[in-house]
Amino acid sequence: DSGVTQTPKHLITATGQRVTLRCSPRSGDLSVYWYQQSLDQGLQFLIQYYNGEERAKGNILERFSAQQFPDLHSELNLSSLELGDSALYFCASSVGEGPYSEQYFGPGTRLTVT
Amino acid sequence: QKEVEQDPGPLSVPEGAIVSLNCTYSNSAFQYFMWYRQYSRKGPELLMYTYSSGNKEDGRFTAQVDKSSKYISLFIRDSQPSDSATYLCATVLRAGSYQLTFGKGTKLSVIP
Repeated sequence: DSGVTQTPKHLITATGQRVTLRCSPRSGDLSVYWYQQSLDQGLQFLIQYYNGEERAKGNILERFSAQQFPDLHSELNLSSLELGDSALYFCASSVGEGPYSEQYFGPGTRLTVT
Repeated sequence: QKEVEQDPGPLSVPEGAIVSLNCTYSNSAFQYFMWYRQYSRKGPELLMYTYSSGNKEDGRFTAQVDKSSKYISLFIRDSQPSDSATYLCATVLRAGSYQLTFGKGTKLSVIP
């Protein structure tokens, strides 16, 4: 158990809908990262927050947005969902914000868009 | 061309075999390389990291970097069924954003 929690575990929704994925980082970690994992693309970095501020953006679609709240938990919002958005979404957290700060991954949310 | 290339396998070996897992990368901002292990239906976990060129050993695992050929390897000695997982290599390609770029992962099965 990494100490990172994600809810829900599974989500099934229809195209065009909007969903919110939630992540609670390990106690003491200030950075939160969101990743998308699919069979064809592998594990892709979406976005990073550090102590409430956006730090880095990766391959995140405009239909997706995220935020980190004062209590450091984070939410990833996915809107106008398409079939291709079906994937595993992982949250990770780390103490620091740089590349040498070990990232601890949560168990993931499996999103299925029908 | 993906910037971190990894053979997806699957790779199936008998228990006790030496396993070699490999990645190539296009660039690395910090010469800092990581190997993650991901069990089925779980999140990735950091297995080893290494800087620059050379070897780093941790028990049955050895991480190796060849900067000149932009090649990174993970060796597993005396492989066990519990090593059955997907192994992902990762590095930071560009300074400034610090984001990790992962290979697609190699699925390993160690057969008892």
